[in-house]
Amino acid sequence: GESVGLHLPTLSVQEGDNSIINCAYSNSASDYFIWYKQESGKGPQFIIDIRSNMDKRQGQRVTVLLNKTVKHLSLQIAATQPGDSAVYFCAEIRDDKIIFGKGTRLHILP
Amino acid sequence: EAQVTQNPRYLITVTGKKLTVTCSQNMNHEYMSWYRQDPGLGLRQIYYSMNVEVTDKGDVPEGYKVSRKEKRNFPLILESPSPNQTSLYFCASSWGLENEQYFGPGTRLTVT
Repeated sequence: GESVGLHLPTLSVQEGDNSIINCAYSNSASDYFIWYKQESGKGPQFIIDIRSNMDKRQGQRVTVLLNKTVKHLSLQIAATQPGDSAVYFCAEIRDDKIIFGKGTRLHILP
Repeated sequence: EAQVTQNPRYLITVTGKKLTVTCSQNMNHEYMSWYRQDPGLGLRQIYYSMNVEVTDKGDVPEGYKVSRKEKRNFPLILESPSPNQTSLYFCASSWGLENEQYFGPGTRLTVT
């Protein structure tokens, strides 16, 4: 889930298992959500997006689920690989601004 | 190659000495944005621009200025840097607000 304070939450997943990263957003009026991946020393990279008129969207090995009732977004990564090791951020569009969550670190166990 | 470039990549400066971080994109994107990234706080939007000559404040604009005189460039200006502006800065561009953003490689700024 999203972090509070200075500590970034870490999700440790066995290689080959599925990963689920969660995100809570604050504004029920937000209508566009994005997931980004940031590898060490690099800028964030787009993974997948979803609009508020959808509940689910699938990409290659990734699925984003949107639950507007509880204002919750999740990113599912199938068959997690070592290259998936990164910090993952959700972002929402609110009042013409882009608001990022604080991020979750995904750690892959061999 | 489609990309967002930032310069410099690393900068150490002293309090009060004006500096500019340049950002350029070659994708003809209309939307450009600056973020700062601090440990435990994620990315916070400083300023954004919907198009040429249109700029708006993000969540943390204090102490920063921007300009958008041409589509490809979106420089970030710190008129009088202070130590609390020590951070990792990212520029990003996209076709519009609701499109994926392409991020630059980042500029690590230290203000002493």
